Amino acid sequence: GAVVSQHPSRVICKSGTSVKIECRSLDFQATTMFWYRQFPKQSLMLMATSNEGSKATYEQGVEKDKFLINHASLTLSTLTVTSAHPEDSSFYICSARVRGAGTDTQYFGPGTRLTVL
Amino acid sequence: SQQGEEDPQALSIQEGENATMNCSYKTSINNLQWYRQNSGRGLVHLILIRSNEREKHSGRLRVTLDTSKKSSSLLITASRAADTASYFCATDAWFGNQFYFGTGTSLTVIP
Repeated sequence: GAVVSQHPSRVICKSGTSVKIECRSLDFQATTMFWYRQFPKQSLMLMATSNEGSKATYEQGVEKDKFLINHASLTLSTLTVTSAHPEDSSFYICSARVRGAGTDTQYFGPGTRLTVL
Repeated sequence: SQQGEEDPQALSIQEGENATMNCSYKTSINNLQWYRQNSGRGLVHLILIRSNEREKHSGRLRVTLDTSKKSSSLLITASRAADTASYFCATDAWFGNQFYFGTGTSLTVIP
């Protein structure tokens, strides 16, 4: 089946620094990837839709200047949390859309746990 | 919001019993997926059911889908302590790209 990886799986950083998270589709091309955030004991919340070669579409309430998304290729999307603060500590999960004959679904990465001190 | 909603929010059962979780959603969908998430870990894909399917099995899992009621259920038979986790349903609207996750059911299986 389709595999999506994320790197790093866990990151701890100081307040004010920027952190980049990579999302890769390992054995398929994904024109669309999604970024989600999950706070403890809550559901995943969609942050933005990332389309290869174009600007990301952000959900209401998500600051695009704080969460920079770059979909550089059909297998890689990156999320950069700029000037991270403790309230940005969360679990970030990406997914990649797969479309084919009779298929249109998403596969999720394992997630990245960000802790901002 | 197009988020799904699961119920119950929390479920505690004895090992060996069956666990049933329900998911309701708001819009027409292409497919619905169920995921498991162990505490502090990533998502694990369990099963996908398409909008034209009514029931699907995978090992001890049974998923049903009722598009007229916009609801789905996940049944775990003969539960094990290792099944303890949060379970989420995720839906995608037929007209859009996004997947929307429900609020999840926290399942505790007592050995």
